[in-house]
Amino acid sequence: NAGVTQTPKFQVLKTGQSMTLQCAQDMNHEYMSWYRQDPGMGLRLIHYSVGAGITDQGEVPNGYNVSRSTTEDFPLRLLSAAPSQTSVYFCASSYQSVFGYTFGSGTRLTVV
Amino acid sequence: AQSVTQLGSHVSVSEGALVLLRCNYSSSVPPYLFWYVQYPNQGLQLLLKYTSAATLVKGINGFEAEFKKSETSFHLTKPSAHMSDAAEYFCAVGDTDKLIFGTGTRLQVFP
Repeated sequence: NAGVTQTPKFQVLKTGQSMTLQCAQDMNHEYMSWYRQDPGMGLRLIHYSVGAGITDQGEVPNGYNVSRSTTEDFPLRLLSAAPSQTSVYFCASSYQSVFGYTFGSGTRLTVV
Repeated sequence: AQSVTQLGSHVSVSEGALVLLRCNYSSSVPPYLFWYVQYPNQGLQLLLKYTSAATLVKGINGFEAEFKKSETSFHLTKPSAHMSDAAEYFCAVGDTDKLIFGTGTRLQVFP
């Protein structure tokens, strides 16, 4: 039982490049979310999903796209990376939100 | 909309002293509240959660939190701090389909 797996752990991008952050869970959780963590700002919700085929925007969705074609996977796409997207990204999943979420170990992204 | 406010971005205590980390919530419905801990360069780990069963909630590593509706608070406490408690702590409120986090409190423990 691997829990929530995020890849890669570290990434450096040049401004304007695109990339996909991968997130997979093996707990059959319907609820999945992406957060970014910046110093002094806590975790801010980017996008979330309540099941395959259903996604919605969080607090800071601009510059990011998501899709949920399977229960297990919830990738986060950066279409054109900007320095403001330098951050640590966390994926999380839950059976139901009110029970709390299990977090991945994070992806540290630097955009130069 | 639901939200949480954590008072104090940094808290410093001596080893063996009481730990008190403050969290106030805003919610139009009975809230589901959580405390998470993040050790350096790691992900978040659930410490404890309030789901309306009992107002005093016990978590891992000797932490507990008390839900006070009259004060809209869910403060985290530990009677005696240990060096290993040094970490960042996040309060969160659960919506039907997501978690909303506070800005975090960094706990330092001095010998």
